[in-house]
Amino acid sequence: QVQLVQSGAEVKKPGASVKVSCKASGYTFTSYDINWVRQATGQGLEWMGWMNPNSGNTGYAQKFQGRVTMTRNTSISTAYMELSSLRSEDTAVYYCARGDLDYWGQGTLVTVSS
Amino acid sequence: SYELTQPPSVSVSPGQTARITCSGDALPKQYAYWYQQKPGQAPVLVIYKDSERPSGIPERFSGSSSGTTVTLTISGVQAEDEADYYCQSADSSGTYRDVVFGGGTKLTVL
Repeated sequence: QVQLVQSGAEVKKPGASVKVSCKASGYTFTSYDINWVRQATGQGLEWMGWMNPNSGNTGYAQKFQGRVTMTRNTSISTAYMELSSLRSEDTAVYYCARGDLDYWGQGTLVTVSS
Repeated sequence: SYELTQPPSVSVSPGQTARITCSGDALPKQYAYWYQQKPGQAPVLVIYKDSERPSGIPERFSGSSSGTTVTLTISGVQAEDEADYYCQSADSSGTYRDVVFGGGTKLTVL
């Protein structure tokens, strides 16, 4: 069965970077884009961008351009999302989701606090 | 930037029909998707491409589209359907189809 398993919770200081991983199984990793979506506590879903695991091509939401980098390691079917220059407003649960967002990871809580 | 508009809340009694709307100018040209999210859980896709239902999703969930509005209908609502529901579509005005979410609708089962 399709599974996306994300890395564990992180606590970071303002100005630092965080890198979240998303390990895919149950399907051919390179056949579907990976999207990243975040959700602050009590708030709605916010799309951050996508990555094509086959080509490595990416597309980022304008809000995150310059601060987000999405990469992959096809040998271990894992996608990564790195967000830099963290601020308190980046505290949220970060999700990866396959293709047309039909399967989602369990989420990774990133807390930014001094 | 492109927006999708949902009502903040909808309330229904068990066994009744719940309808959640989502409005957006690009909806006549782009497919809509619906997600159910329960507290502390990741979203789950319940409707894709306006009206298709993924395997494992109960038949009481259905989707429809008319002009700039799409609707998620839950027939015979059950207590377990109480959740937040998000519509999603794409903004094709840029160089790539940016994903856009509605603000979410909290469905309360009375």
